[in-house]
Amino acid sequence: EAGVVQSPRYKIIEKKQPVAFWCNPISGHNTLYWYRQNLGQGPELLIRYENEEAVDDSQLPKDRFSAERLKGVDSTLKIQPAELGDSAVYLCASSTDGQGNPYEQYFGPGTRLTVT
Amino acid sequence: AQSVTQPDIHITVSEGASLELRCNYSYGATPYLFWYVQSPGQGLQLLLKYFSGDTLVQGIKGFEAEFKRSQSSFNLRKPSVHWSDAAEYFCAVGLSGGYNKLIFGAGTRLAVHP
Repeated sequence: EAGVVQSPRYKIIEKKQPVAFWCNPISGHNTLYWYRQNLGQGPELLIRYENEEAVDDSQLPKDRFSAERLKGVDSTLKIQPAELGDSAVYLCASSTDGQGNPYEQYFGPGTRLTVT
Repeated sequence: AQSVTQPDIHITVSEGASLELRCNYSYGATPYLFWYVQSPGQGLQLLLKYFSGDTLVQGIKGFEAEFKRSQSSFNLRKPSVHWSDAAEYFCAVGLSGGYNKLIFGAGTRLAVHP
């Protein structure tokens, strides 16, 4: 089966510009996650969706970050305006069930963002 | 607060040598524990997981890990390392109770010498 698909793989933008990342989860996975991975660090959760509902966005910087998951399938993460500190790899993951215990999360290859 | 510590930032081993990557966690409840591997330019791939039961768990690619509650540890081991194992390894603790959230350590970068 196809894995988690993300695009673009790389993005270079100037500060104050907007940027968007797209993720298509594994078919049938109702839970979708966006993580940010800073250089030399492990991933940190930004937002989790169960179907089309954002159930955990406590770590999402809402002044400049937004996300949507219309129709409960693919998702878009947006940054506007981008800052130098936003340079990182943005990972998308999906899993089959967000209720109760954690389940296996399948990760996409990520989008490496460089803000200059 | 929940946290995961991977004490070794970089480890270098010779091909064919044994490997142990350390992981310590801080979590008040019964932990769900994971090891992921990330090759350059790739996403994270699940190596193995511990939810309950046997404290020695087997994973893919010949890896195993042992959960030791008394030491709050979940160390990853492999008896004989291959050059293709060079990658970054992340330990994670899963928060239960509906949070379905993974807390990752900072990772250990493994280099393999021929």
